[in-house]
Amino acid sequence: GESVGLHLPTLSVQEGDNSIINCAYSNSASDYFIWYKQESGKGPQFIIDIRSNMDKRQGQRVTVLLNKTVKHLSLQIAATQPGDSAVYFCAERDDKIIFGKGTRLHILP
Amino acid sequence: DTGVSQDPRHKITKRGQNVTFRCDPISEHNRLYWYRQTLGQGPEFLTYFQNEAQLEKSRLLSDRFSAERPKGSFSTLEIQRTEQGDSAMYLCASSLANGIGELFFGEGSRLTVL
Repeated sequence: GESVGLHLPTLSVQEGDNSIINCAYSNSASDYFIWYKQESGKGPQFIIDIRSNMDKRQGQRVTVLLNKTVKHLSLQIAATQPGDSAVYFCAERDDKIIFGKGTRLHILP
Repeated sequence: DTGVSQDPRHKITKRGQNVTFRCDPISEHNRLYWYRQTLGQGPEFLTYFQNEAQLEKSRLLSDRFSAERPKGSFSTLEIQRTEQGDSAMYLCASSLANGIGELFFGEGSRLTVL
């Protein structure tokens, strides 16, 4: 069935360190995954996506890794900044997007 | 601003009243989605349209909920006989109908049912 979830509800990271947010999915047929960032009071905002024929994709300060063998993906944020404070969702898309529960990223000064 | 816009941003109503939310998608986007989000949860899919056709409805969408997109542009989501459990953020998103790429979300309409 459709299920996308994250391992931890909250993650605290020192400013300047790298953040790693993890996500597990259950639908082995899923072939397209997206990471969204949601700041308080706002709608989700696209960060980066990856198709199942890839195992890594890099953006600006962000990297998504996909391990299809264990049905796991992760979002890495380099040099975490205060503006990165938000809830991060992994999601899978076919015609619609199915979101997981989210991980709240706290940045420690 | 050419993003997705939603109106109203906040709505407080009494139980049993009807409410309607409006979404204006990005103009060239032919797909429009409605999601509901409660505190601490990820957005839950409700329904989506391609142009004016409603292609899928979630089982979450009870018969008190109805969505329309009459001319394939803006959409409305109506909730009849609201219940306290309807209190949530209602998010609208739009995209191109190519099955890939991002959904662009609006800021949401927050409903509080007293």
